[in-house]
Amino acid sequence: AQSVTQLDSHVSVSEGTPVLLRCNYSSSYSPSLFWYVQHPNKGLQLLLKYTSAATLVKGINGFEAEFKKSETSFHLTKPSAHMSDAAEYFCVVSLPFGNEKLTFGTGTRLTIIP
Amino acid sequence: DTGVSQDPRHKITKRGQNVTFRCDPISEHNRLYWYRQTLGQGPEFLTYFQNEAQLEKSRLLSDRFSAERPKGSFSTLEIQRTEQGDSAMYLCASSLRGTSGRANTGELFFGEGSRLTVL
Repeated sequence: AQSVTQLDSHVSVSEGTPVLLRCNYSSSYSPSLFWYVQHPNKGLQLLLKYTSAATLVKGINGFEAEFKKSETSFHLTKPSAHMSDAAEYFCVVSLPFGNEKLTFGTGTRLTIIP
Repeated sequence: DTGVSQDPRHKITKRGQNVTFRCDPISEHNRLYWYRQTLGQGPEFLTYFQNEAQLEKSRLLSDRFSAERPKGSFSTLEIQRTEQGDSAMYLCASSLRGTSGRANTGELFFGEGSRLTVL
């Protein structure tokens, strides 16, 4: 079985300051891990993915995440928040290959303060 | 727009009625997925198809739920005898599984969802 825990349901940061969204995972196998973003009235969009290559993964819009096996973590970061980053972010885990079923966390709502 | 489209976007129905949602995936994608998202939760997997074959169903998919993808293109999700607990956002996604046998896992393209409210 696999699962993810998003440690914060809501994060607020000021525009121009760093963003940190925390995620811990649990998996019986070496997992594939993803971050998806959901803007209001928009479909979920893939930000980035880790599939056992480089542990530091770069995604779209300046986001990146680091896979740390020893800490079972996959935290999402961005050096400088922009107003357009306000959205719901989901940490997602799946089996490495052959299984298309994604397991989502409960989400972190990111608010950007002007 | 060549993304995943879902119809209707919103549906309000009375308890006991049947509802049907339609999903049109990205045209070249051979895999299609249904997820359900309730308020304050992340999406939960319901079922998925490769072409017209339904390959996996979640325990969440009770006997009142049925999904089809008859020609391997669009899909429908029908809920019979709706209950208030069925109120949720129903999300459709599609992906392309490569012919090499390695799944393109996680690169799902989602539609904007169909929101169901059961009164």
